[in-house]
Amino acid sequence: KNEVEQSPQNLTAQEGEFITINCSYSVGISALHWLQQHPGGGIVSLFMLSSGKKKHGRLIATINIQEKHSSLHITASHPRDSAVYICAVIWNGSEKLVFGKGTKLTVNP
Amino acid sequence: DAGVIQSPRHEVTEMGQEVTLRCKPISGHDYLFWYRQTMMRGLELLIYFNNNVPIDDSGMPEDRFSAKMPNASFSTLKIQPSEPRDSAVYFCASSPWRGGNEQYFGPGTRLTVT
Repeated sequence: KNEVEQSPQNLTAQEGEFITINCSYSVGISALHWLQQHPGGGIVSLFMLSSGKKKHGRLIATINIQEKHSSLHITASHPRDSAVYICAVIWNGSEKLVFGKGTKLTVNP
Repeated sequence: DAGVIQSPRHEVTEMGQEVTLRCKPISGHDYLFWYRQTMMRGLELLIYFNNNVPIDDSGMPEDRFSAKMPNASFSTLKIQPSEPRDSAVYFCASSPWRGGNEQYFGPGTRLTVT
């Protein structure tokens, strides 16, 4: 069964802490996406990557193709980072996104 | 560009009624996706189009659901008849080309069927 697993499901941090959210998948992929969904419900694409590492501001996404694993890091976390972070993959030979269940992050001031 | 536009933003209807959700993708994007999000199942792909042609509708729950894309700037998702279990947030997203590229999501339509 092709699966996308995220951990942890819920994460609470204090402002300024370094955050790591993990995503594992079961078979080969052509791309992996990290999405952010704010409490208001809107979904924003943060990263799309197929290898290596990408950085945007305080956000860093890495992927290890051999280990079928990706991480999303947030440095110097801030309450405005509070959101649900969703990992999604595109299996090899497909064009469809398959989503993880999401990680709910709460950053307290 | 205004981004992906969805209407209505909220819809409350009674069981058995027909519901039509609308989506205007970003101009120039070749791919359009319809997703459903529920607490139990998270985000799920319902159907996607490439150049207005439905490519994969395997995620459409049953015959009560149908989707059309009559032109490059408009798509509809119809539920007839609606049931309480259809209550969810429905998202439309578009992508410039090939599904592996970044997708741009609309604000979603929150559907409540009573």
